[in-house]
Parts: sequence; C-alpha cells; structure tokens
Amino acid sequence: AQSVTQLGSHVSVSEGALVLLRCNYSSSVPPYLFWYVQYPNQGLQLLLKYTSAATLVKGINGFEAEFKKSETSFHLTKPSAHMSDAAEYFCAAQGGSEKLVFGKGTKLTVNP
Amino acid sequence: DGGITQSPKYLFRKEGQNVTLSCEQNLNHDAMYWYRQDPGQGLRLIYYSQIVNDFQKGDIAEGYSVSREKKESFPLTVTSAQKNPTAFYLCASSPMGGHVETQYFGPGTRLLVL
Repeated sequence: AQSVTQLGSHVSVSEGALVLLRCNYSSSVPPYLFWYVQYPNQGLQLLLKYTSAATLVKGINGFEAEFKKSETSFHLTKPSAHMSDAAEYFCAAQGGSEKLVFGKGTKLTVNP
Repeated sequence: DGGITQSPKYLFRKEGQNVTLSCEQNLNHDAMYWYRQDPGQGLRLIYYSQIVNDFQKGDIAEGYSVSREKKESFPLTVTSAQKNPTAFYLCASSPMGGHVETQYFGPGTRLLVL
C-alpha cells in the first residue's frame, strides 16, 4: 500500500529565506503526487500536483516541487518565504487504483 | 459561487449521542469523501462515495455511518459507538473519483465531546 512520509513535523524559517518541505513516497508504481496547504481551522487547498507530465511542477503562491523517481521524493520549495506562508502543508500520493494517502503534515512557521 | 459547505462549524456531542455533520457541494462532482484530522496524524479516510446510493468504507469507518441520497449531499453520522470522536472533520469532492483528480475540500467541522 502507498505511504507518504513528511520529514519534520515543524519547520521554521525567517521571512525571505528558502522554504524546503520534504516528502517521500513509497510505491512500486510511480504515483500521482499532490501538495495541499491548510490555514488554521480551514479546509485544504491544492498547491500543485504531479501527473507525470513534467518533473518540475509549479504551483500557486510561488511554490514548486520536483519529482525525483530515484529518490522517491517530491519536496516542496519556495525561494523566499512570506509571513502569509505560515500554515500546515500536506503531501499526498495516489498510486494505481488506490485511494489518496496523506502524509502527517508539516507546520511551517515564518519568523519576521 | 461553486464550492463545498460544511455545517455546523463547531458541534458538541454528549455521551451516547449520535450527531450528524452536513456536507453539500454545488460543483456537480460525482465523488465525495469524509476525512478525519487529528493533530499530527494527517488526514484519514472515513467513507467515500463515487455515485448516488453507493458508498465504501475507508480506513477508519468504525463508529461512523453515511448516506448518499442526492448527488450534492453526503452527510456523516458519528454514532455513540465512536468512542473518541473529538477531531476536525473534512468533507471533499472530486469530479469522478478517478486518478489524478484534485479533491476540493470544505471548511471543516470541529466536533467536541461534552
């Protein structure tokens, strides 16, 4: 069965610094991969998704993620953090006929 | 304005009580989902439905029940058999429930036990 691991339940960066949120998946079949963002007490909003078209995927709010099959990774990055990026981020994967599986989330704090 | 609505925003349950969480969508999506979110646990699938009058259990269905009588509605009942119901409940929908589809989420209902 598909599983998703997000390294680091909490990440803290300074405003203007690089944001790097890590996601690794386990699957014998290259999955479809998603990053969602959740602001406090709200639902999830899609940031970007990988569907095997291009390995570098650009999303909303300046975020992007790179699919690396050799590393089974799909890390999320943003060159310069903004205070409004503070939220919880979830990586999710869907492989074959399986349902969408979520990682446990990474809470991003942005310090002024 | 298309989207998913969940009500109420907060819900309080007494011991032995069944409570029902509402989820409505006007996106004309065939598939709907219920997830439970606990701190540090991510989202876990409770039930999903890909068509009216049909639904399947997810990973943590025990103590929950659903119905899908209308395409736009997918209510979740938390029964008294669910011994630890305190959580944030999220409803989602997708066009057909297939692969690669984005799931669109409602704003959530927070259930608390009195």
